[in-house]
Amino acid sequence: DAGVTQSPTHLIKTRGQQVTLRCSPISGHKSVSWYQQVLGQGPQFIFQYYEKEERGRGNFPDRFSARQFPNYSSELNVNALLLGDSALYLCASSFGPQENTGELFFGEGSRLTVL
Amino acid sequence: KNQVEQSPQSLIILEGKNCTLQCNYTVSPFSNLRWYKQDTGRGPVSLTIMTFSENTKSNGRYTATLDADTKQSSLHITASQLSDSASYICVVKSGGGADGLTFGKGTHLIIQP
Repeated sequence: DAGVTQSPTHLIKTRGQQVTLRCSPISGHKSVSWYQQVLGQGPQFIFQYYEKEERGRGNFPDRFSARQFPNYSSELNVNALLLGDSALYLCASSFGPQENTGELFFGEGSRLTVL
Repeated sequence: KNQVEQSPQSLIILEGKNCTLQCNYTVSPFSNLRWYKQDTGRGPVSLTIMTFSENTKSNGRYTATLDADTKQSSLHITASQLSDSASYICVVKSGGGADGLTFGKGTHLIIQP
């Protein structure tokens, strides 16, 4: 079975541009979460979606937005890119929204470089 | 504020040796604690998940311990292999917060031949 898939794997943008990152969860999983991981740091929570509804949002500016589609795939959009947005963006899927012992399965990430 | 502190920040050991990574947390209310292995430039992969009532959990050569009273956890790696070179991230789930997960910064482990 396919794991969590993310695209693109790498991309380079310039300041002020916009970027869209995509994520397909594991088949049967209905929850998708997005994380930003700056080099040398742990992942920081951005969004969680469950059943196409936003269930949680981290401390990120409104330039960050996301959505979940009927097939449970998800997109993360970042507008007006800043140099500080350069990071590995991780998508994670789980079966339910906030299960106590629910496994989180991460994708390989999208490496964004902003010049 | 919920926090997860990991030590050491980085560690170099010889292949075949054992090592122990530490995780201290101040997360409330506590739900579970997870250890992830993250290869450079890849996504984290789950090693163990422990709830309040579990003291020890093993996954092959990886053994995690949890002391909920002192809010400490450790990850012990036995007979290290070159493929163990990675960052190991401690994550604590609480009942609150946007997603309830607080990530540590990780311990960067290098196994030398």
